[in-house]
Amino acid sequence: AQSVTQPDIHITVSEGASLELRCNYSYGATPYLFWYVQSPGQGLQLLLKYFSGDTLVQGIKGFEAEFKRSQSSFNLRKPSVHWSDAAEYFCAVGAADSGGSNYKLTFGKGTLLTVNP
Amino acid sequence: KAGVTQTPRYLIKTRGQQVTLSCSPISGHRSVSWYQQTPGQGLQFLFEYFSETQRNKGNFPGRFSGRQFSNSRSEMNVSTLELGDSALYLCASSLDPRGGKLFFGSGTQLSVL
Repeated sequence: AQSVTQPDIHITVSEGASLELRCNYSYGATPYLFWYVQSPGQGLQLLLKYFSGDTLVQGIKGFEAEFKRSQSSFNLRKPSVHWSDAAEYFCAVGAADSGGSNYKLTFGKGTLLTVNP
Repeated sequence: KAGVTQTPRYLIKTRGQQVTLSCSPISGHRSVSWYQQTPGQGLQFLFEYFSETQRNKGNFPGRFSGRQFSNSRSEMNVSTLELGDSALYLCASSLDPRGGKLFFGSGTQLSVL
């Protein structure tokens, strides 16, 4: 079964600083990988996704993520953080069973981002 | 285009009661998934429906059930509520979840007293 680890529960950065949120996954094959963002009291919004091809993917709001198969990682980055980026970020793995059925997303526990002015 | 709508937004119940939550997907989306979000366990998959059929189910007890109607609207029901069922229940719709583009509603915050 697939699993996702987000090692950092809480990260604080200053506005304008760069950001990297870590994500490690466990899955036998190349999974579908996603980053979602959740603002307080809201649902999740998809930032970006990786299915195949170019290992550096661009998303919305200036975010990007790099898939590294050798490290089983899919870290999220942003060169300059804005105060409005403060939220909780979730990495997710999408995978089906060996028969190609029962596809589901498995989420990490999330990383809470605080942005200092 | 309207987003995913979940009702009610907040719900307070007592132990032993049952509850029904509703989710209206984005128009044209035939897949609806449900997730439970708690501070301790994070986001956990409950089940997914496509064209009125449950295609996938997570590891939750039988007290948790759901259904989907012909217009793709979905409901989930929790019977014999326990304190541990207090959570944010999120619904997500998509054309096909394998595409990864799950569109989430704002959720129903359930508190069990």
